[in-house]
Amino acid sequence: AQSVSQHNHHVILSEAASLELGCNYSYGGTVNLFWYVQYPGQHLQLLLKYFSGDPLVKGIKGFEAEFIKSKFSFNLRKPSVQWSDTAEYFCAVNGGNYGGSQGNLIFGKGTKLSVKP
Amino acid sequence: EAGVTQSPTHLIKTRGQQATLRCSPISGHTSVYWYQQALGLGLQFLLWYDEGEERNRGNFPPRFSGRQFPNYSSELNVNALELEDSALYLCASSLDLAGTGEQFFGPGTRLTVL
Repeated sequence: AQSVSQHNHHVILSEAASLELGCNYSYGGTVNLFWYVQYPGQHLQLLLKYFSGDPLVKGIKGFEAEFIKSKFSFNLRKPSVQWSDTAEYFCAVNGGNYGGSQGNLIFGKGTKLSVKP
Repeated sequence: EAGVTQSPTHLIKTRGQQATLRCSPISGHTSVYWYQQALGLGLQFLLWYDEGEERNRGNFPPRFSGRQFPNYSSELNVNALELEDSALYLCASSLDLAGTGEQFFGPGTRLTVL
């Protein structure tokens, strides 16, 4: 079965620090990749997505992610975090119809980011 | 554009009862997905409906069921509630008929089973 691993459970940074959140997935076929964010008290919203093409994708609020197929990775980055980036971040993979998983977004366990002002 | 809406916001039930959760997708979206977000387990896929049909289901027992209505809204039913069913239930909708695209999430229904 497909799985998604997020390496850090909780990351604490000061404002202006750089951020990189790791995400690895287990499926070797064609995948669609997503990062979702959940701000305190709000619902999940899409940060960015990768379907094909340029492996470096840019999302909202200055976030970007790089798809490295050989490493089965889709790490999220931001050069300089702000206090308002405090949230929980989820990596998700959709592997099409592999293993009967059509329609199934497979999520990592999430990484809580706390940014100190 | 209105987002995905879910009702109720909170639901408290006792063991053995049935719970019904409702979801209205974004206008124009025909696919509805249900996920369970239980403490420590992350988001787990429950069900996918499109055009009124169940397209796929996750690894959950049959007492988790649902349906999709002609207006594309959806209902999730959980029968014979157990304590471990306590979780946030999220609904998502999508335009993507293949089930591989981005999904837009609602705020969730917090189900507490006592």
